[in-house]
Amino acid sequence: GENVEQHPSTLSVQEGDSAVIKCTYSDSASNYFPWYKQELGKGPQLIIDIRSNVGEKKDQRIAVTLNKTAKHFSLHITETQPEDSAVYFCAASTSGTYKYIFGTGTRLKVLA
Amino acid sequence: DSGVTQTPKHLITATGQRVTLRCSPRSGDLSVYWYQQSLDQGLQFLIQYYNGEERAKGNILERFSAQQFPDLHSELNLSSLELGDSALYFCASSVGVGMGSPLHFGNGTRLTVT
Repeated sequence: GENVEQHPSTLSVQEGDSAVIKCTYSDSASNYFPWYKQELGKGPQLIIDIRSNVGEKKDQRIAVTLNKTAKHFSLHITETQPEDSAVYFCAASTSGTYKYIFGTGTRLKVLA
Repeated sequence: DSGVTQTPKHLITATGQRVTLRCSPRSGDLSVYWYQQSLDQGLQFLIQYYNGEERAKGNILERFSAQQFPDLHSELNLSSLELGDSALYFCASSVGVGMGSPLHFGNGTRLTVT
């Protein structure tokens, strides 16, 4: 069946370093790729998204890249800060359907 | 604040019991999704509604059911509860199914079955 693989499952970085989380999707019809941040005790919150007609999108310290040919998309966080520590989920969705496939999550720890 | 409201925030009950979780979507959102998140696990899709109609089903147990009412709020009913049903239950809403309809999540209901 359709799935989204997410790596790594845990990631520790020093404050100020960059963090990269990668996802691979299986459904070639997927065309919308959001990223969510989940802090302790809260629901996942949308932080950035990208559509299949765009290869890269940036919002301040976070960026997402998409390689449709390889079915890969990645989240890049630069100049990490302790408040970036959370669990991050990628997801893949297809317009016109109700499918929303989530990755298994990455626990990011930013060490001060 | 996502605009999605879930009640109650916490629920403690015994095995064999039945509970109802409630979700009010963001204003204007017609679609509601329910997810289960067990300890340190990912988001398991349960069921999805659009404007009152069930549109997609995931790994939802037969003991679980849901519905979306005319005012668009939704309820998830869990019956014959087992210890393994202890988890966080999230509701998310979106405008619809057009390209790029992000999900907006509530803060969840934490269910503890003892």
